[in-house]
Amino acid sequence: NAGVMQNPRHLVRRRGQEARLRCSPMKGHSHVYWYRQLPEEGLKFMVYLQKENIIDESGMPKERFSAEFPKEGPSILRIQQVVRGDSAAYFCASSPPGSRDTEAFFGQGTRLTVV
Amino acid sequence: EDQVTQSPEALRLQEGESSSLNCSYTVSGLRGLFWYRQDPGKGPEFLFTLYSAGEEKEKERLKATLTKKESFLHITAPKPEDSATYLCAVSGGSNYKLTFGKGTLLTVNP
Repeated sequence: NAGVMQNPRHLVRRRGQEARLRCSPMKGHSHVYWYRQLPEEGLKFMVYLQKENIIDESGMPKERFSAEFPKEGPSILRIQQVVRGDSAAYFCASSPPGSRDTEAFFGQGTRLTVV
Repeated sequence: EDQVTQSPEALRLQEGESSSLNCSYTVSGLRGLFWYRQDPGKGPEFLFTLYSAGEEKEKERLKATLTKKESFLHITAPKPEDSATYLCAVSGGSNYKLTFGKGTLLTVNP
């Protein structure tokens, strides 16, 4: 049973470009969460999605950031017009439907560097 | 707002020297307290979930306990391969999101 798959593992973008981060949840999981980890800081919640629905995006910046989890295919976190401050590790987690609380399993992350 | 504070920030142990990591939390209506292990350059690896005060869980050399205000991760006779950052997180109320502490960096010397 493959774990949560994220790609790419490393992504370098110039300021002003777009970054697209992909996350394929574990088989049978329909809940996806995105977290951001800045250097010397803890993991911060960004957004919680179920298939075709955004459930909670309270941690996501209002501008330039968007997320989707289509009926088919991976979840995408999209960052438009990236700035240096967006450099961080972005982690995706997934959990099965009906799971108690949030026993979420994390992927290996995408490390975004903005130059 | 949910808050999690972990201490110490860093801990160095000799192989075989048992110790404990602390996680203090404030949350409105605890749904669960979670412990993860994170190795450099990797994603967090799930260890335990605790749901109510008094609950304990064990896995190999690790044992997690929970009170109404804090959780402890006890490490018995650690080995160098236990070296990692240990993260504590909570979820509370109607939220499904996890609030994480900054972690404790554990180094076990041979």
